[in-house]
Amino acid sequence: GAVVSQHPSRVICKSGTSVKIECRSLDFQATTMFWYRQFPKQSLMLMATSNEGSKATYEQGVEKDKFLINHASLTLSTLTVTSAHPEDSSFYICSARRVVNQPQHFGDGTRLSIL
Amino acid sequence: GESVGLHLPTLSVQEGDNSIINCAYSNSASDYFIWYKQESGKGPQFIIDIRSNMDKRQGQRVTVLLNKTVKHLSLQIAATQPGDSAVYFCAENISGGGADGLTFGKGTHLIIQP
Repeated sequence: GAVVSQHPSRVICKSGTSVKIECRSLDFQATTMFWYRQFPKQSLMLMATSNEGSKATYEQGVEKDKFLINHASLTLSTLTVTSAHPEDSSFYICSARRVVNQPQHFGDGTRLSIL
Repeated sequence: GESVGLHLPTLSVQEGDNSIINCAYSNSASDYFIWYKQESGKGPQFIIDIRSNMDKRQGQRVTVLLNKTVKHLSLQIAATQPGDSAVYFCAENISGGGADGLTFGKGTHLIIQP
């Protein structure tokens, strides 16, 4: 089955730090990956669509300079939370899919806690 | 549509009974629907999907029903087991659309009572 790996699983750091999260598709090539954010007891909210070799597409209200996305290869997308503040604390989850019209498969998320 | 909620609805079911989880979607243009299961501290796990040209699809112990007239989706889980306890989300999108990230529903917390 499709496997998506996300790293790290948990990050605790000081305010002002930049944090990089990696998302890898382990057994398939993913032209498109997606980044979501989930606050406690809430649903997942799409932040951005990451396309291999091109700029990410951000959802309304998501600051592209705050959440930098790089999709350098067909198996790796990274999300960098720049100058993180306590309000950025959340559960960040990536997903990937093989082709259009196929289900997205999710990583196990990164719990980000900014002190 | 947006899916932001302050708390999750809870459904409590006896082990061995069947459960039905409901979801209303808002975008009449959506034509692809997926049910995900999310356990605590983990990412969503794919359960079953259905396209708008169907109104029912069955998997192992699960059935998804789609009613496009009232924009309603349901997930039926037969003979529930303790491992079915989780939060269940429906998700929708427009296949082939330019922006095809998923829109998630609010989620339902399924609790299986022993």
